[in-house]
Amino acid sequence: DAGITQSPRHKVTETGTPVTLRCHQTENHRYMYWYRQDPGHGLRLIHYSYGVKDTDKGEVSDGYSVSRSKTEDFLLTLESATSSQTSVYFCAISERTSGPSLADTQYFGPGTRLTVL
Amino acid sequence: QKEVEQNSGPLSVPEGAIASLNCTYSDRVSQSFFWYRQYSGKSPELIMSIYSNGDKEDGRFTAQLNKASQYVSLLIRDSQPSDSATYLCAVRGQGAQKLVFGQGTRLTINP
Repeated sequence: DAGITQSPRHKVTETGTPVTLRCHQTENHRYMYWYRQDPGHGLRLIHYSYGVKDTDKGEVSDGYSVSRSKTEDFLLTLESATSSQTSVYFCAISERTSGPSLADTQYFGPGTRLTVL
Repeated sequence: QKEVEQNSGPLSVPEGAIASLNCTYSDRVSQSFFWYRQYSGKSPELIMSIYSNGDKEDGRFTAQLNKASQYVSLLIRDSQPSDSATYLCAVRGQGAQKLVFGQGTRLTINP
């Protein structure tokens, strides 16, 4: 257990409304990630963060923004939700293991199921 | 060509047999390789990581890496019904912080 929580765990919203998902970690990990998972597409990276106020885009970042004002919290915002953003969203952290890089292995939170009607 | 490719399955294996899951990747300078297991409705959980050519064993699981062939596999010995899940292969390139995931292989162990 890497001490990751996500909130809310389930959300139903309407097209055009703003939505914010929260990822919270308790172990001071530097790197945090947001993924979405859809049938036929696997896990796709939306945005990631390598420190407070340091973020970068992933492969499917259009329509999403992120913020990290504290080490422990990484927020994902859908400014105006669309039906194509219906998905399961996972947050992940990475920590150093015995691998070749400084922060190598990723661990996932429990996920948020978002439905946009 | 996708960066990380897996056969989506489903792969059906009888209980007690060896399940073999395969993954190929396109980036020749990839350094780190991971296998995750994901039960339906749950989050991915790490099973194995491997960084060097050859085999790495952990209990009933063996990861195999062949960088020349750009191929990584996961063997599950003495398969149990509780091994039924989707298995995700993930690859990290040299100098990159991001992981690239395959689509996953759905494995079913038949009692």
